[in-house]
Amino acid sequence: DQQVKQNSPSLSVQEGRISILNCDYTNSMFDYFLWYKKYPAEGPTFLISISSIKDKNEDGRFTVFLNKSAKHLSLHIVPSQPGDSAVYFCAASETGTASKLTFGTGTRLQVTL
Amino acid sequence: DVKVTQSSRYLVKRTGEKVFLECVQDMDHENMFWYRQDPGLGLRLIYFSYDVKMKEKGDIPEGYSVSREKKERFSLILESASTNQTSMYLCASAPGGSNQPQHFGDGTRLSIL
Repeated sequence: DQQVKQNSPSLSVQEGRISILNCDYTNSMFDYFLWYKKYPAEGPTFLISISSIKDKNEDGRFTVFLNKSAKHLSLHIVPSQPGDSAVYFCAASETGTASKLTFGTGTRLQVTL
Repeated sequence: DVKVTQSSRYLVKRTGEKVFLECVQDMDHENMFWYRQDPGLGLRLIYFSYDVKMKEKGDIPEGYSVSREKKERFSLILESASTNQTSMYLCASAPGGSNQPQHFGDGTRLSIL
């Protein structure tokens, strides 16, 4: 039972345009959501997070939006750069579980010139 | 910066061998985690630990055990390696409490022949 779903295995975007990566979850107890970025042969790197008491969090070119009623979150990257090409994982956790994360299957983003 | 170090980047072992994967973190984090990453399946939690000598099963603990004798070190043990345990193994750590991002090592690519 996949509690965190990333339905798009891959996404291709032109440099300078907006990249939108989507994530859905089924467990209503999740209250903290994160995005990680992973390059080949490296571990995932924490990118940005959002608590369920917010609906938006921004950090430079990265913005995460949370729609609790739809159990949906998205990561926007504006403007996209070639160095953003990586696999992006959405993850979720529940308060009281020692920061234990449930991950999605990942979306491979390719930013083209 | 948090540093999570995994002892080997690449490892090749034979079926039936007992395999040890070591992970050390330098940030005095209470929580430590072991995941495996497989294509199309994302990151799946094997075991985690929220304190020295404490451990909890994750989503796929079968065939694995763990050891945490010191706060900074978390070991994953494959009791009798099998070919279906060929995978990328990722260790992570996080501060105590909930809703904290995890910090990952660079992974160990383990091949069981």
